[in-house]
Amino acid sequence: AQSVSQHNHHVILSEAASLELGCNYSYGGTVNLFWYVQYPGQHLQLLLKYFSGDPLVKGIKGFEAEFIKSKFSFNLRKPSVQWSDTAEYFCAVISPVTNAGKSTFGDGTTLTVKP
Amino acid sequence: EAQVTQNPRYLITVTGKKLTVTCSQNMNHEYMSWYRQDPGLGLRQIYYSMNVEVTDKGDVPEGYKVSRKEKRNFPLILESPSPNQTSLYFCASSIGLFGTDTYEQYFGPGTRLTVT
Repeated sequence: AQSVSQHNHHVILSEAASLELGCNYSYGGTVNLFWYVQYPGQHLQLLLKYFSGDPLVKGIKGFEAEFIKSKFSFNLRKPSVQWSDTAEYFCAVISPVTNAGKSTFGDGTTLTVKP
Repeated sequence: EAQVTQNPRYLITVTGKKLTVTCSQNMNHEYMSWYRQDPGLGLRQIYYSMNVEVTDKGDVPEGYKVSRKEKRNFPLILESPSPNQTSLYFCASSIGLFGTDTYEQYFGPGTRLTVT
């Protein structure tokens, strides 16, 4: 069964600091990977996704993520965070070949950015 | 405007009283899914549907039912709610085919359910 692990449950940064949120998945076959963001009181929105090709994926709002297959990782990065990035971040995986239809999310990382 | 709508947004009910949470999308998406969000547990998939009349269990289907009689609607049914089903529920629909690079889930605003 596929699973997702997010190492940091709560991250606190000052504005302009760099961000890296960890995400590891367990499934060894073909995977598609996603990062979603949930701003306070709002629904989830897609930040970026990886399906194939270039392992460095760029998303909205200056976020990027790198797929490292050998490490089963898909870490989210941003070079300089803003107060408006305060939100909860979720990593998600699907394995379209063997588990078509199933989406597995990590527990989430709460990011607080201090002005 | 493209959107996923859920009703009701907030619901307080009592143990054993059947309820339905509706989900509707206006984007002609084939794939729809239900999740529950609980603190420290992230989102867990309850049921999903690849198309009309095609539904399957996610990771936490116990105590829930779904139906997909038409493409736009995917209601979540709790036949006999219990307090452990108190949670925040999200419906989502997806553009594109599952597993292709056009696949992307759009989430509804959420339904906060309290079962006493």
